[in-house]
Order: sequence, then C-alpha cells, then structure tokens
Amino acid sequence: AQRVTQPEKLLSVFKGAPVELKCNYSYSGSPELFWYVQYSRQRLQLLLRHISRESIKGFTADLNKGETSFHLKKPFAQEEDSAMYYCALRNTGGFKTIFGAGTRLFVKA
Amino acid sequence: DGGITQSPKYLFRKEGQNVTLSCEQNLNHDAMYWYRQDPGQGLRLIYYSQIVNDFQKGDIAEGYSVSREKKESFPLTVTSAQKNPTAFYLCASSSTDSSGANVLTFGAGSRLTVL
Repeated sequence: AQRVTQPEKLLSVFKGAPVELKCNYSYSGSPELFWYVQYSRQRLQLLLRHISRESIKGFTADLNKGETSFHLKKPFAQEEDSAMYYCALRNTGGFKTIFGAGTRLFVKA
Repeated sequence: DGGITQSPKYLFRKEGQNVTLSCEQNLNHDAMYWYRQDPGQGLRLIYYSQIVNDFQKGDIAEGYSVSREKKESFPLTVTSAQKNPTAFYLCASSSTDSSGANVLTFGAGSRLTVL
C-alpha cells in the first residue's frame, strides 16, 4: 500500500541554521514525490517536485530510492520559511496523490 | 482570475443532515480531488475524478458521495452516515506541467462543523 511518513510534527530551528524535514514513503512502483507548503493564511501550494530536480526558495529535495526517502533541506533557514510542509506521493502515470501528516516548521529569530 | 473556488467557507450542520460542498475550477484541468484535513493527520483523500462522469474512491470515502457532471465542477456531499464529519475540506485540481509532473492546485477550503 502507498504510504507517506513525516516523523516530525514540529521542527523548530534558529534563523540561519540548516533545516531538514524528513519524508519516507512506501510504494511498490515508481513514484513521483512532491513537497507542498502552506504559509499562514494562504492556500496549500506546490514547493517542489523530484522530477524537475530544482531548488525553490533555497530548498532542495533528493529522491533516494534505496532508503525510500525524499527529505527537504535548506542550508540557512529564514523566518519566512515558517509554515506547514507536506510530503506527497503520486503513482507515476496515475492521478491518485496521497500526503503525509505534515511538519510544522518554526524558524526563530 | 483563474483558480479553484470552494463554497461555503464555513458551514454548520445538525447531526443527521446531509450537506453539499461546492468546488468549481476554471483552469481547464481534467482531474479533481477532495481531501479532508485534520490536525495531526495531514490530508486524507476522499474521492478523485480523472474525467467527467468518472470518479474513484480515495482512502476515506465512507459517508461521502461525489458527482462529476461537468469538467468545472466536483461537488462533495457529506452524508449523515459519516461518523465524524467536522473537519476542514480541501478541493484540488491537477494538470501535467512542462516537466511531466502532475501538480495539484488547491482551493481555500471549507470548514464544516456538526453541531
């Protein structure tokens, strides 16, 4: 069965510190992985997807098929990064997308 | 102004009543979705539709029903059979972008409270 696990409900770091939000998945096929973000009083929106190997707002995420992980990283956290982050998985070629429980990131000044 | 519109934003219902949440999109997306968002549980998929007149159950479809008579519209009915309907409901639609990824666009949500 498809499953996305985000082990941390809350992550608190100081401004300028590195941040890593963990995401592990279980899926028998070849998945597409995404990170979505919800800032305060804004809609849930896409942050990045593994297929395009991009860096958005300083965040990167590498798909590690051996460890079935897709951790989100940023070398220097900013206060504006404070938000709720969701890892999501979609079966390649399909439409069903499932989400993890989310991690709330709080960046302290 | 393209996007997804959910209504109403807030809804109160008495136990035993059915209620329908509206979701309309003008993005010309084929696929549409309904998720339920609860604290500590993230987003759980209720139903999704890949194309007009077709839809599939998600992980928590019991007590819910949907229809997809038009491409733009995907209403969700929360029936009296849903044991714990008080929640925040999110509608989304999706398209495949230039990189080949199927990306979701979300509405602002509807908060349902059962009294």
